[in-house]
Amino acid sequence: DSGVTQTPKHLITATGQRVTLRCSPRSGDLSVYWYQQSLDQGLQFLIQYYNGEERAKGNILERFSAQQFPDLHSELNLSSLELGDSALYFCASSVDVQGAGGNTIYFGEGSWLTVV
Amino acid sequence: AQTVTQSQPEMSVQEAETVTLSCTYDTSENNYYLFWYKQPPSRQMILVIRQEAYKQQNATENRFSVNFQKAAKSFSLKISDSQLGDTAMYFCAFSDNAGNMLTFGGGTRLMVKP
Repeated sequence: DSGVTQTPKHLITATGQRVTLRCSPRSGDLSVYWYQQSLDQGLQFLIQYYNGEERAKGNILERFSAQQFPDLHSELNLSSLELGDSALYFCASSVDVQGAGGNTIYFGEGSWLTVV
Repeated sequence: AQTVTQSQPEMSVQEAETVTLSCTYDTSENNYYLFWYKQPPSRQMILVIRQEAYKQQNATENRFSVNFQKAAKSFSLKISDSQLGDTAMYFCAFSDNAGNMLTFGGGTRLMVKP
């Protein structure tokens, strides 16, 4: 158990709909990351938040958005869903001490999203 | 931007044997971090081993060790005494010194055969 909690574990929804994935980081971790793992595209970095503020942005679609709340949990919102959005969405967290890189990133178990 | 390449999509090894998974990366940075993650059929991402680029000594974690060649930008993972539970996808990942975002390679699917 990594200590990173993601809900829901599985989600099936129709095209055009909107869903919200939720993540609670490990206790004490200030950074939250979202990754997408599709069958044919490996792990793609979407976005990182640090202590409530966006820190880095990767290949995140405009239809997707995220935020990190004062209690440090994070939500990833996916809207106008398409079949190609079906994937495993990982949340991860790290301590992310300022000025110190290479902090180990711990992953949650992922949220399986199936768009039909 | 950094890139990570794993040139072996699939590998297999007999139980108790040794196997080496390859990883190369491209960066202009001098200080960075490299990781190997394991993803078993459960799809959980599990950290296997971590290497700081400024350390010349290769990292070791029990049966797992790395061969880090900084000049060649190579970071291979050696699994000794392979066990059936080692069957998984293995991802090599890079993190620069400024932040902690990971850039992943495409993965190597390892099958350990009894």
